[in-house]
Amino acid sequence: EVQLVETGGGLIQPGGSLRLSCAASGFTVSSSYMSWVRQAPGKGLEWVSVLYSGGNTYYADSVKGRFTISRDNSKNTLYLQMNSLRAEDTAVYYCARRYSSSWAHQWWGQGTLVTVSS
Amino acid sequence: QSALTQPPSASGSPGQSVTISCTGTSSDIGGYNYVSWYQQHPGKAPKLMIYEVSKRPSGVPDRFSGSKSGNTASLTVSGLQAEDEADYYCSSYAGSNNCVFGTGTKVTVL
Repeated sequence: EVQLVETGGGLIQPGGSLRLSCAASGFTVSSSYMSWVRQAPGKGLEWVSVLYSGGNTYYADSVKGRFTISRDNSKNTLYLQMNSLRAEDTAVYYCARRYSSSWAHQWWGQGTLVTVSS
Repeated sequence: QSALTQPPSASGSPGQSVTISCTGTSSDIGGYNYVSWYQQHPGKAPKLMIYEVSKRPSGVPDRFSGSKSGNTASLTVSGLQAEDEADYYCSSYAGSNNCVFGTGTKVTVL
């Protein structure tokens, strides 16, 4: 059974850093296209970043230069390092596995809430 | 990259059909056949309902169908059921390894 479990969310002050983790089971992260998608409270979905199986990474303009997506193959886990956090980064962060031939996100975790506030 | 435009709400009675539009530009919806639709119940993660404009993942009822014309994609839910009441989001590839989601539509089953 495929499962994605995000952890690492919490309350953080503006300008701070946080690392989110997404532990996968039932498939191999290193062979997959993995994304982070976020949803601000009461708002819509926003794509954040993608990590391809070959190692290439891409980011939304809103987080470029501040967020870093990575993975640990030995732990079958995806990460999102978030630096210089702003109030507008407050959201539930989901990790998701994408179809390799499409931009459709097939499997999603339950999400982890990040709140940026002083 | 601007969000795709969806109507805030749509509704229908059980057994009826409802169609949700998703309007973008020639740089996203109009330029690629990579439109997806997601269903999200309150407090839950999104669920993929349609991909590549009109394909259904395994397990998704054939009551859900998708189409595209120009810069606008559509999701139709036929034979509405109570469990179809949820938020629906479209999504499209927008070039340069970028993805854009729609503003979301709340579907109410009357």
